[in-house]
Amino acid sequence: DAGVTQSPTHLIKTRGQQVTLRCSPKSGHDTVSWYQQALGQGPQFIFQYYEEEERQRGNFPDRFSGHQFPNYSSELNVNALLLGDSALYLCASSSGTGGDYRTEQFFGPGTRLTVL
Amino acid sequence: DAKTTQPPSMDCAEGRAANLPCNHSTISGNEYVYWYRQIHSQGPQYIIHGLKNNETNEMASLIITEDRKSSTLILPHATLRDTAVYYCIVSPRNTNAGKSTFGDGTTLTVKP
Repeated sequence: DAGVTQSPTHLIKTRGQQVTLRCSPKSGHDTVSWYQQALGQGPQFIFQYYEEEERQRGNFPDRFSGHQFPNYSSELNVNALLLGDSALYLCASSSGTGGDYRTEQFFGPGTRLTVL
Repeated sequence: DAKTTQPPSMDCAEGRAANLPCNHSTISGNEYVYWYRQIHSQGPQYIIHGLKNNETNEMASLIITEDRKSSTLILPHATLRDTAVYYCIVSPRNTNAGKSTFGDGTTLTVKP
C-alpha cells in the first residue's frame, strides 16, 4: 500500500499564475481533504471531497477550487496566485460516508509551493 | 469545532514518559479528541483518538478527564524519533474525518 501520494513535491510559480496539485488517496479511502500549512503554523482546512462533490469548506477564497475523480483521486487548483499562497499543501484521505462514526485521516507528504 | 489550547513547547528526556496536555474546555458532547504529530518535513501522522474513555494503542495513551475539558497524550518511553509537533484536535462525531481544525500544536523535543 503506497499510502497517500502527492505530486509534485515542490513547485515554484509567479504571482498571478495558476497551479494544480494532485493527490491519490490511500487504498480503500474515498474521501480527500486538502490543507494549507504556512511555515511555523498548523494545517488549515481548505475543503473536503467525497463522491466527487465538495462536502465541506474552510475559510478560503474562491480562488481555491478542487475536483475529485471517480477513482477518488483529487486535484487542488489555485488561481491568481499571491505571495501569501506560498505554503505546504497537504492532502489527507479517510474513509467514511458521513455516517455516525469517525475515522482517522492519513496525510500525504505535501507539495511545497513557492510563489515569487 | 471546539478550539484547543496547548503549550507551545516541551522537553523530555529520552526514555522517560512524555505527557502532553491539551485544554478543550468548550468541547461538545459529540466531539472526539484526536491527536496527530508532524515530524519535520513530513505530513501529520495520526496517533490516537477518544471520546470519553481512556485509550491506549501501540503508539501512545490518551487520558481524558471526566468532564472532558482536557486531555493528556502520554508517550510512555520517549525516543529521539518522537521529536515532533503534536496537535490536539476536537471534531464533531457526525461528520467525515475532514475539517479538522489544527492549532499551532506543541513542539516536543526529546533530548538524550
